[in-house]
Amino acid sequence: AQTVTQSQPEMSVQEAETVTLSCTYDTSESNYYLFWYKQPPSRQMILVIRQEAYKQQNATENRFSVNFQKAAKSFSLKISDSQLGDTAMYFCAFMKPPNTGNQFYFGTGTSLTVIP
Amino acid sequence: ETGVTQSPTHLIKTRGQQVTLRCSSQSGHNTVSWYQQALGQGPQFIFQYYREEENGRGNFPPRFSGLQFPNYSSELNVNALELDDSALYLCASRDSSTGANVLTFGAGSRLTVL
Repeated sequence: AQTVTQSQPEMSVQEAETVTLSCTYDTSESNYYLFWYKQPPSRQMILVIRQEAYKQQNATENRFSVNFQKAAKSFSLKISDSQLGDTAMYFCAFMKPPNTGNQFYFGTGTSLTVIP
Repeated sequence: ETGVTQSPTHLIKTRGQQVTLRCSSQSGHNTVSWYQQALGQGPQFIFQYYREEENGRGNFPPRFSGLQFPNYSSELNVNALELDDSALYLCASRDSSTGANVLTFGAGSRLTVL
């Protein structure tokens, strides 16, 4: 079974600083997808960034980037120039290859607070 | 794009009752999945529907059932409600044909079972 572990239940960062959220996962698959989703207090989940396991290059989306270490099964999220609007729960998610169950597995989340 | 909409936003039921939650998928999305998010936890996969058939299911009992309609809207039905069913129920849709495999979530339905 696939598992996703987020070992940091809560984190805080000063506005304009950089913060890194950790995520590890366990799988026997070689091809899969990894995601970071953000859930603001209004609760609608929003995609932050997506990584395909067969791509070695780390994904980036503006201020958000990942450090994908496939051998270590690690997928951390770096937020640069943190903004107040980044305050939210962040969930790391794993998806097996299509047509193998179509299931997303989520971690327990990291609550990030950006301090003015 | 209209996004994913869910109804009702909040509801309260008593143990043993039945509930139906509804979801309207994002335009163009042919796949819908439902997740249960207990307080302080990450979403747990309930099941997924593609072309009106269930094609994936998580570790949930048969009293959790669903439907997907030709217009890609869907329902989650839960029978014989238990206290532990209290949670936020999230609907998520995606377009399986693109290969992007990105879920678009609704805002959820908060179910409280008393």
